[in-house]
Amino acid sequence: GENVEQHPSTLSVQEGDSAVIKCTYSDSASNYFPWYKQELGKRPQLIIDIRSNVGEKKDQRIAVTLNKTAKHFSLHITETQPEDSAVYFCAANADSGGSNYKLTFGKGTLLTVNP
Amino acid sequence: NAGVMQNPRHLVRRRGQEARLRCSPMKGHSHVYWYRQLPEEGLKFMVYLQKENIIDESGMPKERFSAEFPKEGPSILRIQQVVRGDSAAYFCASSPPGLAGAEQYFGPGTRLTVT
Repeated sequence: GENVEQHPSTLSVQEGDSAVIKCTYSDSASNYFPWYKQELGKRPQLIIDIRSNVGEKKDQRIAVTLNKTAKHFSLHITETQPEDSAVYFCAANADSGGSNYKLTFGKGTLLTVNP
Repeated sequence: NAGVMQNPRHLVRRRGQEARLRCSPMKGHSHVYWYRQLPEEGLKFMVYLQKENIIDESGMPKERFSAEFPKEGPSILRIQQVVRGDSAAYFCASSPPGLAGAEQYFGPGTRLTVT
């Protein structure tokens, strides 16, 4: 089955700096890669996703890049703010009963943005 | 459009009791997923359901755990004879039919504590 590795497990940056979180996946059939942000005690929130037919997607201060050949994808946050502090999870879809809707998650990155 | 609803938000059970967790998907969503999250860990897939069908239960323990998504009403995750190791946050997610099926939106979770 699909295996997703995520690095780093913790990341501390100064406000205004950029943050980059990287993930690798194992199943070459995966074609959907979402990123979730989870604040303490809250639900995971979908913040951006990318499908395999594009290499990069951007939404204001966040962007995701995908390298299908190398099987890795990354989350980039620019001009970080204290409210960006949270745990970020990457995920990749995997075969599930004939569909490809099941998500396999990385173990998460705790991002701390210091004011 | 109301988001994914889960209840109860917190559930305390003694060892040996049964736990029932409920999930109402977003309006128009036909796929439901259950995930378990242990403290400081990622989200582990348990089961994927459509109305009246279990599509993939490969992540759910064979003993004591069951899930359903009836034609009418919420999806239910049932844990019989709970043990301390079942203490975790259980999240439900839903996704729409079609090509966007992998876009999963999470509920607020049920935090189960087994005493």
